[in-house]
Amino acid sequence: GAGVSQSPSNKVTEKGKDVELRCDPISGHTALYWYRQSLGQGLEFLIYFQGNSAPDKSGLPSDRFSAERTGGSVSTLTIQRTQQEDSAVYLCASRGLAGPVVEQYFGPGTRLTVT
Amino acid sequence: RKEVEQDPGPFNVPEGATVAFNCTYSNSASQSFFWYRQDCRKEPKLLMSVYSSGNEDGRFTAQLNRASQYISLLIRDSKLSDSATYLCVVKPPGGTSYGKLTFGQGTILTVHP
Repeated sequence: GAGVSQSPSNKVTEKGKDVELRCDPISGHTALYWYRQSLGQGLEFLIYFQGNSAPDKSGLPSDRFSAERTGGSVSTLTIQRTQQEDSAVYLCASRGLAGPVVEQYFGPGTRLTVT
Repeated sequence: RKEVEQDPGPFNVPEGATVAFNCTYSNSASQSFFWYRQDCRKEPKLLMSVYSSGNEDGRFTAQLNRASQYISLLIRDSKLSDSATYLCVVKPPGGTSYGKLTFGQGTILTVHP
């Protein structure tokens, strides 16, 4: 079946511009996560959505970052007034019903470069 | 102190070698533990969960030591295809089972002929 998809796969933007990154989770998955991975670094949690509950935004690094999830499916991560330190790979993951293994399925990521 | 710490390596081993990675976590109340694998420029994928009693999956063995707050991954008879970054992952306490995961920075493994 289809996995998690993200678009665009690569994005180059000028400093100060706004960008929107999109994530399509696996159909039926109720939990959706955003992480970012800078060069040589581990994954940094940004935000997660679970069903209709209020999202956990505790990882968002500044108020320039926001995310929404419409209709419990597609999610958009928006970065306003981008800075060079925002350059990273932004990874989305989704997870379905609890089972014997707690597994998040990751998309291929969006590589963001801020020039 | 980072929530999850790993030796970044790199570990360079010949085929057939046995290699072990350790990872420490700071919150003693952490609930669940995993190893993910990430190939170069690819997304992370779950390798295995880590159970209190230790668990084995083929050539891979994972151990958890709650008293010392560390997790280990042992790879026996290394293959070239094992070359990847191995991410230690911890689910912090609190929240639901859907909660966020905390990732270590990863340990790079290169297996050479």
